[in-house]
Amino acid sequence: AQSVAQPEDQVNVAEGNPLTVKCTYSVSGNPYLFWYVQYPNRGLQFLLKYITGDNLVKGSYGFEAEFNKSQTSFHLKKPSALVSDSALYFCAVRDTGNTGKLIFGQGTTLQVKP
Amino acid sequence: GAGVSQSPRYKVAKRGQDVALRCDPISGHVSLFWYQQALGQGPEFLTYFQNEAQLDKSGLPSDRFFAERPEGSVSTLKIQRTQQEDSAVYLCASSPLAGSSYEQYFGPGTRLTVT
Repeated sequence: AQSVAQPEDQVNVAEGNPLTVKCTYSVSGNPYLFWYVQYPNRGLQFLLKYITGDNLVKGSYGFEAEFNKSQTSFHLKKPSALVSDSALYFCAVRDTGNTGKLIFGQGTTLQVKP
Repeated sequence: GAGVSQSPRYKVAKRGQDVALRCDPISGHVSLFWYQQALGQGPEFLTYFQNEAQLDKSGLPSDRFFAERPEGSVSTLKIQRTQQEDSAVYLCASSPLAGSSYEQYFGPGTRLTVT
């Protein structure tokens, strides 16, 4: 069965420092991977996705993610964190069935301190 | 353009009441998904529509949950005889094509509290 793990409940980083939010996955076949961000009382906003091609994917708001097939990981990164990046981040993998439903991790709260 | 909208944004129901949650997807989107997000958890899949056809309802937790999309656009998730464990945020998402690599666009959710 497909699954996603986000091993950190919370990540704390100082503004201006690089940030990494970790994600590992388990899926049969080639994975379709996504990162979403959720602000309080709002829905999920799409950040980026990996379907195929370059292992380094660039997305919205300066975020990027690195796909590593051997480690089955898809870590989210940003070179310089902003206080406004503080939010809840979800990694997801597309289910291998025909519907395209997403399987989400538990989420990681990112706290960027000034 | 307009995104996915959901109504109501907040719903308080007494245990045993029926509720109906509405989702307006992005115009022209074929795929529509419902997810349930419990407090402190990631969203979990409930059901999937391709146009008006409900192709996957494997995530619906009980037969008290029912969803429809009769004209292939607006969808309604109905919960009968609500229980406290139904308290959660219900998210709707739409996507342009079926079973594709497109990302899903999420609405703001409906927070259901059952008292």
